[in-house]
Amino acid sequence: NAGVTQTPKFRILKIGQSMTLQCAQDMNHNYMYWYRQDPGMGLKLIYYSVGAGITDKGEVPNGYNVSRSTTEDFPLRLELAAPSQTSVYFCASSSTYSNQPQHFGDGTRLSIL
Amino acid sequence: DQQVKQNSPSLSVQEGRISILNCDYTNSMFDYFLWYKKYPAEGPTFLISISSIKDKNEDGRFTVFLNKSAKHLSLHIVPSQPGDSAVYFCAASDQTGANNLFFGTGTRLTVIP
Repeated sequence: NAGVTQTPKFRILKIGQSMTLQCAQDMNHNYMYWYRQDPGMGLKLIYYSVGAGITDKGEVPNGYNVSRSTTEDFPLRLELAAPSQTSVYFCASSSTYSNQPQHFGDGTRLSIL
Repeated sequence: DQQVKQNSPSLSVQEGRISILNCDYTNSMFDYFLWYKKYPAEGPTFLISISSIKDKNEDGRFTVFLNKSAKHLSLHIVPSQPGDSAVYFCAASDQTGANNLFFGTGTRLTVIP
C-alpha cells in the first residue's frame, strides 16, 4: 500500500548545485503535483501535470523544472540551487474526477547552504 | 495574495471537548473545500471535504460546515482526543488546471489529556 513515494527524505545541497527530487505513485492517477512548504506557511504549488507528457506551472515555478514521461513518475529538478529553495517539498497525486482529494507523499526536506 | 486564510496559528483544547478550526477564503469561484491533517515529518493526510452544493458534511467525529455567503468554513472535532494533536490545513479548489488546491497556513491543534 505505497501510495505516493518520495525520495530522498533529506538532502543538503551547496549553492549552485543541482538535484532531482523523485516522486512515484502507484494509484494510476493522471494528476500529479509538486508543492513546497516554508516554515509557518501553507503549501504552494510549484508545478502540476494532467498526464504523461503534459505539465504546467503553478504559483511558484521559478528555479524548478519538471517532466512527466510516465503516469507513475513526476520528478522535480532544481538547477543552480539557491538558499531561497530551502524548504520541504511534497508530491501529490489525484484522480481526474471532480471533488477528489489529493494524496501526498511524506516529503523531502531540502537545505541549501 | 493569500486566497485561503487560517487566522489562528494555534488552538488548545481539553480532551473530550469540542475543537473548532476556522478558515476563510476570498475567491468566490472555489467550489470544493478540504481539510488535511499533518503530523511532523509526514505528508498531509486527507481528513474530510465538502462541495459547494452542501453546507455540512460529517464523518464520524469530524464535521465540516460551509457558509458560502460569508466565504467561511469550519472543522468541528467532537470529542477531541490526544491523537488529534496535529497541524490542520484548510484547502480550496476552483477545479481548474488539475483541480489545483490553494492552502491556508495551518492551525496547530493541541489536545490536552
